[in-house]
Amino acid sequence: KAGVTQTPRYLIKTRGQQVTLSCSPISGHRSVSWYQQTPGQGLQFLFEYFSETQRNKGNFPGRFSGRQFSNSRSEMNVSTLELGDSALYLCASSTAGAIISEQFFGPGTRLTVL
Amino acid sequence: AQSVTQLDSQVPVFEEAPVELRCNYSSSVSVYLFWYVQYPNQGLQLLLKYLSGSTLVKGINGFEAEFNKSQTSFHLRKPSVHISDTAEYFCAVNPGSARQLTFGSGTQLTVLP
Repeated sequence: KAGVTQTPRYLIKTRGQQVTLSCSPISGHRSVSWYQQTPGQGLQFLFEYFSETQRNKGNFPGRFSGRQFSNSRSEMNVSTLELGDSALYLCASSTAGAIISEQFFGPGTRLTVL
Repeated sequence: AQSVTQLDSQVPVFEEAPVELRCNYSSSVSVYLFWYVQYPNQGLQLLLKYLSGSTLVKGINGFEAEFNKSQTSFHLRKPSVHISDTAEYFCAVNPGSARQLTFGSGTQLTVLP
């Protein structure tokens, strides 16, 4: 099985712009989660989608949004970029179930905001 | 709310020596515990997980961890490390009721020749 794929791998934007990141989960996985990784704050949960519905959301401002399509692919969008949004954004997929038994992570998209 | 504390941010160790990476968690409910490894410029890879049952969990690459409920710890161990084990290691907790992982701040393991 192919793993979780994320595109693009690297992105450079300027303050005030918006950006869209894409994630394709492992085939058959219906849950997709997004995390932000920064040196200062570490790994922080952004949101989780299942069957095109956001089921869980972390403590991030409304500039961060996401969606999931019927084929389970997911996108996240950050509007009005700030310097502090520079980070590695990781996507993880898992099977549906009552608990998260294992999340499989993609390689991440490294976003640099200038 | 749950939290995870990784007590050591950096752990240098010589090749073929044993290593222990410490992880403590706080949660008012039963939790599921994980260790992930991250190599440079890569995503996270699951090393091992504790969901229930035996408190000694064996994972990939010769790693193991022991769940200690009374001490709320989940320390990661390897009896003999290799240069290739150099990476950052993250402990994570999922309380079962929330579909998200809470991560510790990470421990950079550096294996020296």
